[in-house]
Amino acid sequence: AQKITQTQPGMFVQEKEAVTLDCTYDTSDPSYGLFWYKQPSSGEMIFLIYQGSYDQQNATEGRYSLNFQKARKSANLVISASQLGDSAMYFCAMRASGTYKYIFGTGTRLKVLA
Amino acid sequence: NAGVTQTPKFQVLKTGQSMTLQCAQDMNHNSMYWYRQDPGMGLRLIYYSASEGTTDKGEVPNGYNVSRLNKREFSLRLESAAPSQTSVYFCASSEAGLAGKGIFGPGTRLTVL
Repeated sequence: AQKITQTQPGMFVQEKEAVTLDCTYDTSDPSYGLFWYKQPSSGEMIFLIYQGSYDQQNATEGRYSLNFQKARKSANLVISASQLGDSAMYFCAMRASGTYKYIFGTGTRLKVLA
Repeated sequence: NAGVTQTPKFQVLKTGQSMTLQCAQDMNHNSMYWYRQDPGMGLRLIYYSASEGTTDKGEVPNGYNVSRLNKREFSLRLESAAPSQTSVYFCASSEAGLAGKGIFGPGTRLTVL
């Protein structure tokens, strides 16, 4: 069975500092994709970053980077230079080969402090 | 591009009433999904459609039915609503392949009294 675990229900970070949101996953499939989404208070789901299981380098998208440690089955999201607008719920998700489903974690609520 | 649209945005039902949530995408995606979001539970998959003409159950299908009307449209029906179905419902679509990122609609907030 596939599973995503996010163990941090809530996090605080000071504006302009970096923050790491944890995500561990479980799958027996050798091919899979890992995704991070942001959900601001307005409710929409916004795609942030993607990492493939066979990608050699960690994914980066602007201030977002994914710290992918395959042996540990972790895919942590790093947000650099936090901004007040980063305050939101963040979800980690996985999609395994042969299926079309996205499996989500329970999310981490991030609050950026001025 | 509109992306993924959902109607209605809000709905209040009484126990036992039925309704259909509509979803449409204009990105020519093959796969479409219905999720529900409850506090502390993340997003849970109700049903999905890998391609036009196919539908499959997700994690929490009980009490729901779906129809993949065509490539663009994927509807979710509650035949006899229950208070336990009070939730926010998201429709999503994606390209095939591992890297296909899911694009989500704005959500429908449903309350069942």
